[in-house]
Amino acid sequence: RKEVEQDPGPFNVPEGATVAFNCTYSNSASQSFFWYRQDCRKEPKLLMSVYSSGNEDGRFTAQLNRASQYISLLIRDSKLSDSATYLCVVNGMDSSYKLIFGSGTRLLVRP
Amino acid sequence: SQTIHQWPATLVQPVGSPLSLECTVEGTSNPNLYWYRQAAGRGLQLLFYSVGIGQISSEVPQNLSASRPQDRQFILSSKKLLLSDSGFYLCAWFPGQQNSPLHFGNGTRLTVT
Repeated sequence: RKEVEQDPGPFNVPEGATVAFNCTYSNSASQSFFWYRQDCRKEPKLLMSVYSSGNEDGRFTAQLNRASQYISLLIRDSKLSDSATYLCVVNGMDSSYKLIFGSGTRLLVRP
Repeated sequence: SQTIHQWPATLVQPVGSPLSLECTVEGTSNPNLYWYRQAAGRGLQLLFYSVGIGQISSEVPQNLSASRPQDRQFILSSKKLLLSDSGFYLCAWFPGQQNSPLHFGNGTRLTVT
């Protein structure tokens, strides 16, 4: 089993739609969780950290479910500019300093 | 503020040639440093990480090596490149505290011909 798994998509949604991505992780002791966004041929950039109580940043909401070992990202009112690949990141099994990326979920927002 | 510099941005190298990619971080001390590789259309693969000078953890056995000669310098090397070494190489730093994010350099796009 991979340490971090994501549905690769692509998710193809119209502008204004709400879309949700999940990411599962295998290390029950993980403490650090993040969502990153990566545009084509660019470096990943931090979208938001994920806190135990869940957190929101504008149209984006991240949640953590420790019991089921997954994190989620909800995007409301999708914009064309949201089209990108979304990567979840979790610290790894044998070290809290080892940050493991999921393979990414591709989002395409159409007009 | 902290910044991370990675160079070169693009590199084309023949098979069998050596490689040296350099990454430096400014504005912080004792960062955790990382090298990731992303093959075309694939996810990020962790290659090496370092929690201090001279301390290197290798994640994937291959013909690459990493060194950390100074606190804020991280170097990725190879003595002989393979075609399969082509990809997008990303250096990143991490303060080490829980819920502190990873910060990436702009990446080096390596093509081995």
